[in-house]
Parts: sequence; C-alpha cells; structure tokens
Amino acid sequence: NAGVTQTPKFRILKIGQSMTLQCAQDMNHNYMYWYRQDPGMGLKLIYYSVGAGITDKGEVPNGYNVSRSTTEDFPLRLELAAPSQTSVYFCASSSHREGTEAFFGQGTRLTVV
Amino acid sequence: QQPVQSPQAVILREGEDAVINCSSSKALYSVHWYRQKHGEAPVFLMILLKGGEQKGHEKISASFNEKKQQSSLYLTASQLSYSGTYFCGTEARGGADGLTFGKGTHLIIQP
Repeated sequence: NAGVTQTPKFRILKIGQSMTLQCAQDMNHNYMYWYRQDPGMGLKLIYYSVGAGITDKGEVPNGYNVSRSTTEDFPLRLELAAPSQTSVYFCASSSHREGTEAFFGQGTRLTVV
Repeated sequence: QQPVQSPQAVILREGEDAVINCSSSKALYSVHWYRQKHGEAPVFLMILLKGGEQKGHEKISASFNEKKQQSSLYLTASQLSYSGTYFCGTEARGGADGLTFGKGTHLIIQP
C-alpha cells in the first residue's frame, strides 16, 4: 500500500531555477491537491484536480503550474523559483469532492537560495 | 477564509484532558481534524459532516455545532503519542475544492 508518493523529499534550488515536484497515488482517486505549509501558517491550497485533464487554482497559485495527464500523477511545476517559495509541499488525494479523508504524501522540503 | 483554532498551544501531563476548538465564519459542510508530528505528513483523525455523521479511525471524540460553525476535538486521558500539531480543515458547501486549514494547535504531552 504505497498511498501517495512524493519525490524528491528535499531539494535546494537557486533563485530563478525551475523544478517539478512529483506526486503519484495508487488509490484510483479522482481528486488530488497540492498544499504548501509555511511555519505557523497551516496548509494552503495551491492547485487541485478533479480528474485527468482537469485542474484549477487554489488559494495561492502564483508561481506554480500543474498538469494531470493521468489519474495517478499530479506534478507541480515551479518556474523561476523565488525565496518566497521556500516551504514544505504536500500532495494529497481523496476519493470524493467532499466529506472524505484526504491522504497526504510525506512532503517535499524545498529551499530556494 | 481560514478557520480560527484555539488555543494556539497546550501543555499537558500524561492522563490529562484537552479540548481544541475550530471556528469558521463560513457555512460549513464538514470539518476535518488531522494530527501532524514534526517533519511528517498530516494524519487523518476524523471528519464531522453537516447532519451529524462522523467518520474516524481513532478513539477520538469531536463535536460540530452547525449553527455556530464551530467544532471541538476532545482528547481524553492523553498519552505521550498524542503530542503534535492538530489542524482543523473545513469544507464550505458550494465553495472551492480542497480543505481550508487553520493555523494549528501545538499539543505537548509530558510524562
């Protein structure tokens, strides 16, 4: 039972570089989410997807892009990394839109220097 | 809008009880509770749905006052393993997808 798998676990980027955070789930969930967690601030929704080919912005989408070509994968792309994007990123999935448990990956700790 | 959690932090001795509160200004469909230990992912504890249904994996009790849009998580006879940060996440009916999380309540259990 892998659940939600995120790679990499840690990454250091230089300002202006780009990277893709990978997220894969093996539970056949339609709903997938990207959150970022800053110290003392809780988790904030970046982007979400309700199924393959369908994505939408969350609360803090600026500086990020996503795609969803398959049910399993939901990568998050950072273009032109900035220090403000230093954070811990969590991917999550759920089986339904509302009222169901969200399963979280182990997170990616990103530092932009 | 982000739900408001209280208290921000609690220090207990093993065996003592605690209540963590979550309040929203929006009409809610559900309230979720998660616990996160340092450096780990949030772990699901419970969902409370409008209408009274509850879903959970652990022996933790909670309440949801639909009129006041408030939820409380009750931790009784606390154990060392209960230490961590507790987050409530809310879903508003007809709102955007995904959960809106509070800032968290830090719970420290001392032996």
